[in-house]
Order: sequence, then structure tokens, then C-alpha cells
Amino acid sequence: NAGVTQTPKFQVLKTGQSMTLQCAQDMNHNSMYWYRQDPGMGLRLIYYSASEGTTDKGEVPNGYNVSRLNKREFSLRLESAAPSQTSVYFCASSQTQYSNQPQHFGDGTRLSIL
Amino acid sequence: AQKITQTQPGMFVQEKEAVTLDCTYDTSDPSYGLFWYKQPSSGEMIFLIYQGSYDQQNATEGRYSLNFQKARKSANLVISASQLGDSAMYFCAMRPRAGAQKLVFGQGTRLTINP
Repeated sequence: NAGVTQTPKFQVLKTGQSMTLQCAQDMNHNSMYWYRQDPGMGLRLIYYSASEGTTDKGEVPNGYNVSRLNKREFSLRLESAAPSQTSVYFCASSQTQYSNQPQHFGDGTRLSIL
Repeated sequence: AQKITQTQPGMFVQEKEAVTLDCTYDTSDPSYGLFWYKQPSSGEMIFLIYQGSYDQQNATEGRYSLNFQKARKSANLVISASQLGDSAMYFCAMRPRAGAQKLVFGQGTRLTINP
């Protein structure tokens, strides 16, 4: 039972490079999310997709783009990486976007921008 | 605006003791969900327990229970009979009905269980 799978687990980039973080869930969930976790700041929402075919900005969307490829997959793209984007990135999913639904998280991607 | 406050940056507890992790929240939305997550040193976020704002009884899941005091806006996590494997960061989070796409997280409490 994989749940939410993120790839890669670790990545080092140079400033200005681009890359895509991949996320897939096998729980038939409708809603998917991308968060970043920085020391002392908890988790902050970057983008979310309430359902297949829709995406919306979260709290800290600048410098990122997302694609909801299908119901299972939700990718996060950094077009031109900056050192301020060094963080741990978590993908999450939930059955719906209603307040009684827990979000289930992947193991995270540790991204360093030099 | 919604906010979660966890006032204990770190806690040290002897194995087999019970431990209470504090969480207070602020929201004007009458309908919301409260969640606790565990983050071990390996980094994954593990969902532990959920409490709905209209639930009359405190939630329980095995050794975890949630002490929900709505008037005080507190949602403390109680872990009974602590184990070495309970050592981790613990995050309290809230999901309001308005803006339910986002989980609002607290800063976390690092729990260390001593043998």
C-alpha cells in the first residue's frame, strides 16, 4: 500500500536550473497539495488541486508551477531555482477538500539550491 | 486568520509515562477539523488523530487521545504509556471549512522519550 509517492527523495540544483518534482497517489483521492517545510516555519501550502483539472495558488506560490496530470499525479515545477527555494517539499492528498478529511503525506523531497 | 500555537518547543519524558502536547488554535469559522501529525527523524508526516469541531466526544486512536476543550480553543494530544519510538516532532494542524484546502500547522513540539 504505497499511499503518496514522491520522486526524487533528494536533489541538488544550481541557481537558475529547472526541475520537476513528481507526486503520485494510489488512494483514489480527489484533492492533492504541495507544501514546503522550512526550519522553524512549519509547513506552508504552495499550490493545491481540489479535483482533477483544477489548480489554485496557496500561501507561497511565487517561483513555482504545478500540473495535475490526471487524478493520480500532481507535479511541482521550479522554472528557475533560487537559493530561497532550498527546502523540504511534501506532496499530500485527501479524499476531498472538506475540513473533516485528513491529508496524507508523502515522504518528502529534500531540495538544495546552490 | 487561522492560527495554531504550540508553546512547547521540546519535551523530555521517561518511557512508559503519559505525555500531553499542548495546542491552541484561533479561528472564527464555526466548522473546522483539528489534526495531529507525527514526524520522525526520517522525515515523513504521519497522520495520528482527528477531531471535528462539532464532535461531542474526544477522539481516541489507540494510545493517542485528543483533549478537546472548545471554549478554550485547545486540542491537546495525550500519548499514554510512551515508548521510545514516540520520539519525534509532533505537529498540530487545523483545517477550517472556509479555505479547507489548506492545513494550518503549528511550529511543532519535539518529543524525546528517555529509557
